[in-house]
Amino acid sequence: GAVVSQHPSRVICKSGTSVKIECRSLDFQATTMFWYRQFPKQSLMLMATSNEGSKATYEQGVEKDKFLINHASLTLSTLTVTSAHPEDSSFYICSARDPNRGLGNQPQHFGDGTRLSIL
Amino acid sequence: GDSVTQMEGPVTLSEEACLTINCTYTATGYPSLFWYVQYPGEGLQLLLKATKADDKGSNKGFEATYRKETTSFHLEKGSVQVSDSAVYFCALLFGGYQKVTFGIGTKLQVIP
Repeated sequence: GAVVSQHPSRVICKSGTSVKIECRSLDFQATTMFWYRQFPKQSLMLMATSNEGSKATYEQGVEKDKFLINHASLTLSTLTVTSAHPEDSSFYICSARDPNRGLGNQPQHFGDGTRLSIL
Repeated sequence: GDSVTQMEGPVTLSEEACLTINCTYTATGYPSLFWYVQYPGEGLQLLLKATKADDKGSNKGFEATYRKETTSFHLEKGSVQVSDSAVYFCALLFGGYQKVTFGIGTKLQVIP
């Protein structure tokens, strides 16, 4: 079964709305979670690394004030797209690594993704 | 920096045809290599992996061999099914780091 749960799976909102996406690890505690964005016909691009109890680490070119990440507990990270606009429409996927497993075995467990559509 | 190059799709095959999706990588050192599969409307699932040179990963009839000399990790399947239709991502990861580097993804369409 799924070990990482992502919610919601699909969101349709008006421009200017803020949207929160949740990522939960179900069977393990994840000190680190990752947020990816997938554009049509493109690969997954890492947006940021979410660290429990500290600030997220953002990849170059990702706006920190636009994509707010909060990792308040060992099983939950949230991504908030603030004042979303149509260009923010995309597929967002989170992942988490089980620290009890070796990196080579299962580097990350992925959520099912969130399809965000901004009208 | 590290990168993964895989063939662009879509790849369209008839059922029971042979599949090869090419993947090569550029990295300093010897990463672990992975193939992920993304079915329509779903997230990524690990399909198979190889952690060192000459290792062969296999799962659900798919295979890929870690070739250090050609820095490749091509995905193969002898007989594809309609249910194999998905997007396949080649990826690499260095031990000690947590950032996974993905290829662009190859969409496979299998027609009856």
